[in-house]
Formats: sequence, C-alpha cells, structure tokens
Amino acid sequence: DAGVTQSPTHLIKTRGQQVTLRCSPKSGHDTVSWYQQALGQGPQFIFQYYEEEERQRGNFPDRFSGHQFPNYSSELNVNALLLGDSALYLCASSFRDIPGGKLFFGSGTQLSVL
Amino acid sequence: QKEVEQDPGPLSVPEGAIVSLNCTYSNSAFQYFMWYRQYSRKGPELLMYTYSSGNKEDGRFTAQVDKSSKYISLFIRDSQPSDSATYLCAMSANSWGKLQFGAGTQVVVTP
Repeated sequence: DAGVTQSPTHLIKTRGQQVTLRCSPKSGHDTVSWYQQALGQGPQFIFQYYEEEERQRGNFPDRFSGHQFPNYSSELNVNALLLGDSALYLCASSFRDIPGGKLFFGSGTQLSVL
Repeated sequence: QKEVEQDPGPLSVPEGAIVSLNCTYSNSAFQYFMWYRQYSRKGPELLMYTYSSGNKEDGRFTAQVDKSSKYISLFIRDSQPSDSATYLCAMSANSWGKLQFGAGTQVVVTP
C-alpha cells in the first residue's frame, strides 16, 4: 500500500519564479493538507482540500494556491517566490470519516529559493 | 506567545532511560492531541493520538493529556538509539481541521 508520495523531492528556484509541487494521497484517503516547515520549526498549516475545494486556510498570502483533482491528488503553487519561502513542504492525507482526521505525511519537497 | 510551546532540546539520554517530553498550549478549544516522530529529511510519522484528557499507552510509548493545565506529555520507556529523532506535539480543535504543531524536541539516545 503506497503511502503519501510527493514530487519532486528537491527543487531550487530563484526569487520571483513560480513553483508547483505535487502530492498523491495514501490509498483510500480523500483529504489533502499542505504544511510548510522551516528549518528547526514545526510544520505550519497552509491549506486543506476536500472534494476539490479549499476547506480551510492558514495564515499564508494569496501567492500560495492549490488544487485538488478528481483522483484526490493535489498541487501546491507558489508565485513570486521569496527567499523566506525556502522550506520543506509537506503534504498530508486523511480520510474524512476517521475521528481526529489522523494525518499521514509524505517525505516532503525541499524548496530552496536563491 | 505561541499557541503551542515545546522545548526544542536537544535532549540527550542514555540507552534504556525514560524519555520525557511535554508541550503546553493556550487554546482551550483543542480537543485532539497527537505526537509525531520526525527523522531527518523525512515527513512526520504519527506515534500517538488522544482525544480529550487522559492517558494512552502503546508499547513503550505513553501519552498523557491534562486539559485543565493545558499540558500534554509523551514518555518513551526503555529508549533505544533508533528513538533518536525530533518529536513534535500537535493538536487540533476539531476532527478534520488544521493541526497546530509545536517546534519539536530533538532527542538523542546514546548507546
């Protein structure tokens, strides 16, 4: 049973560029959440997608946007990259009916902005 | 003040010792409490999950939640070098929403 898969694993971009990160949820899961983890910090919630709609959003600017596809996979897009966007971006999936919405995380995409 | 406070460590213990980790929080709406383990360059892995107050035990791991004090703990018995990792506490106000994480505590278990 494949877990949560993310691509690419590493990415280097320059300031002002745009980036798209991809996530395939664990088999049977229908909800995808994205988190940003800066070095030495805990993950920070970006947003959550359920039934192809953004259901909840954290305190991130509109430069961060996302999408969920009918097969439940998801993309995270970041426009006009800043140096401060350098972080590990984590995708997590869950199934809506599991109490507590237990999250399963992928290994993340390490984004470096130069 | 952060919603969730966690000592970053590092916490160094000898093999076989008990590891004690804790977090405090300020939001009384939190109902779901979790502990994740994160190895270097990997995503967090769910270790323990607790709803509301009380204790939960799973093998060498025990999680405690005291909502009246807004304080949660994780104990690891008979620690092993393979337990060396960063431990993150996380909590949520509802069953499906965002998790609020602590900054993580780095644990080093020395042989």
